[in-house]
Parts: sequence; C-alpha cells; structure tokens
Amino acid sequence: EAGVVQSPRYKIIEKKQPVAFWCNPISGHNTLYWYLQNLGQGPELLIRYENEEAVDDSQLPKDRFSAERLKGVDSTLKIQPAELGDSAVYLCASSVGTSGSTDTQYFGPGTRLTVL
Amino acid sequence: SQKIEQNSEALNIQEGKTATLTCNYTNYSPAYLQWYRQDPGRGPVFLLLIRENEKEKRKERLKVTFDTTLKQSLFHITASQPADSATYLCAHDYGNKLVFGAGTILRVKS
Repeated sequence: EAGVVQSPRYKIIEKKQPVAFWCNPISGHNTLYWYLQNLGQGPELLIRYENEEAVDDSQLPKDRFSAERLKGVDSTLKIQPAELGDSAVYLCASSVGTSGSTDTQYFGPGTRLTVL
Repeated sequence: SQKIEQNSEALNIQEGKTATLTCNYTNYSPAYLQWYRQDPGRGPVFLLLIRENEKEKRKERLKVTFDTTLKQSLFHITASQPADSATYLCAHDYGNKLVFGAGTILRVKS
C-alpha cells in the first residue's frame, strides 16, 4: 500500500514569493490533515478536511495561507506571500475515519520550506 | 490553556536497557494519548494509543501507561536497540484534533 505522498520534498524561496505544497493521501482515507512542524517542536494542526470539506481551519493564518482539497482526494496548501517565519516542515497526514483525535494518522515525509 | 510536555533533553541509554520516556499534560483531561516515532527527515509514525480507562498497553517491546492522577504517560522500550534511536512524540486529544508534545530524542548506543 502506498503511503502519503508529498511534493516537493524541499523548497527554497525568497520572502514575499508564493509557494504551494501538494499532498496525495492514502487511497480511501476520508480525512486529510496539514500540519506545520518547527524545528524541535511537535506538529501543529493547520487544517483538517473531511472529504472535500474543511472542518477545522481555526489555526490556519488565513491572511496568507489557503488550502483546497479537490474532489476529496489530493490537497494543496499555498502560502502567499511567504515570510521568513514560515520556514518549517509542512506535513500532510490522512486517516480512514473522521475522528481527528483517535484515528490513526498516517503522515507523509513532509516538505521542508526555507524562506530567505 | 492545555499544555503537553516531554523531556527536552535527549535520553542516552545503552543497548539492551529499558528506555523510559515521560509525557506530562496540564490544564486538560484527555481521553486518549498517542505515541509516535519520528526519524530525521520523515513524518511521524503511529505506535500506540491508550485510553483514559486503560492503565497500561503493550505492543511487542513497547509499553505505555496512562496515569490520570499524575496527569502523566510513560513510554517504555524494553531491550532497546540502536534502531530504536529516534524522536518520540506523545499527543493527546483536544476536541477533535491531536495536540503534540515537542518530542524526546532517544539515542541507543551499542
């Protein structure tokens, strides 16, 4: 079974530039998560989708971040414009069920973003 | 607000010994605790989930305890191996999402 796929793995951009991350969850997984992980910290939830609906985006900085999950499968997370403080690893995860707190979450390898 | 804390210092142990990692939580009473393993450059991998009414849970060489009085979970790896070296993250439910601790680095030396 293929795991969660993310691309790109690494991205280096200048501040104020836009950037987008792509995630393909495990087939059949209804729930998709985007997390941000700073160095030495645990993942922090940015947004959670149940199928194509964003059911929790309370931690997403909506002035510069946006996300979409087309047809309830792949998802894209965008930052525009990027700031120096956005440098971090962006993790995508998916789960079969819709409980964001008890379902086993399967994580992708993450995209490491560096903003110069 | 709720807070979840793990030892910030790395744990260095000798191969074959039991590693014990600590997770403390405050200002909240979670119903579930989860433990994940994270290797450098990779995403976390789920290991175990324990419910508040379960005192202990085991899986192969892993054991997790959940003490609601102390507000603490302990994660044990028995007969540790160098391959167990990684960062171990604990997480608890908060509403319908997971809140993660910062993780503890475990280094097992042969």
